[in-house]
Amino acid sequence: GQQLNQSPQSMFIQEGEDVSMNCTSSSIFNTWLWYKQEPGEGPVLLIALYKAGELTSNGRLTAQFGITRKDSFLNISASIPSDVGIYFCAGPDDMRFGAGTRLTVKP
Amino acid sequence: EADIYQTPRYLVIGTGKKITLECSQTMGHDKMYWYQQDPGMELHLIHYSYGVNSTEKGDLSSESTVSRIRTEHFPLTLESARPSHTSQYLCASSGLQGAWGTEAFFGQGTRLTVV
Repeated sequence: GQQLNQSPQSMFIQEGEDVSMNCTSSSIFNTWLWYKQEPGEGPVLLIALYKAGELTSNGRLTAQFGITRKDSFLNISASIPSDVGIYFCAGPDDMRFGAGTRLTVKP
Repeated sequence: EADIYQTPRYLVIGTGKKITLECSQTMGHDKMYWYQQDPGMELHLIHYSYGVNSTEKGDLSSESTVSRIRTEHFPLTLESARPSHTSQYLCASSGLQGAWGTEAFFGQGTRLTVV
């Protein structure tokens, strides 16, 4: 299957800081999805990207679909404690997820 | 809110027992998936289905089996549970548009412990 590389694996940040994480794929994607998973719950979709170069925002979240169609970025601005969780990228073409970025926000 | 339900939420069972994890969705989605996830770790696709009577194995080798007799129901069965099966099992579904539709909806998961 397609290889999805997500980085960083973990982030420990102070409340108020901005966060950036990314995913790269070994092949071209037509769609990128970003999910957040909180402890004890299933992942919930944050942002979906459908077009190369697309930049989409959802509140403090901004995600971009890379021009090469092999990468995507998720940024969180002005982090707050409830941003804690695991963030996954996903390429719907083969229903696989990246390894996740584990975010810890210190108040 | 996603209309996909998993039962039970938590299950502790003895080695050698047969168990079935239930997953139902009321969204009429054709595609359904099972993932296995250890706490804080990656999601591993173990089974998926494109519709009734369709089942495929995912990346992670799993001793579990699945069935898809009805669109809304995608149960996962372990014939003989072992401690190595201890994990969280997540079910998801999506519509037909593209490979996943506009998004995949997840259930809350079943946390299985085999003692």
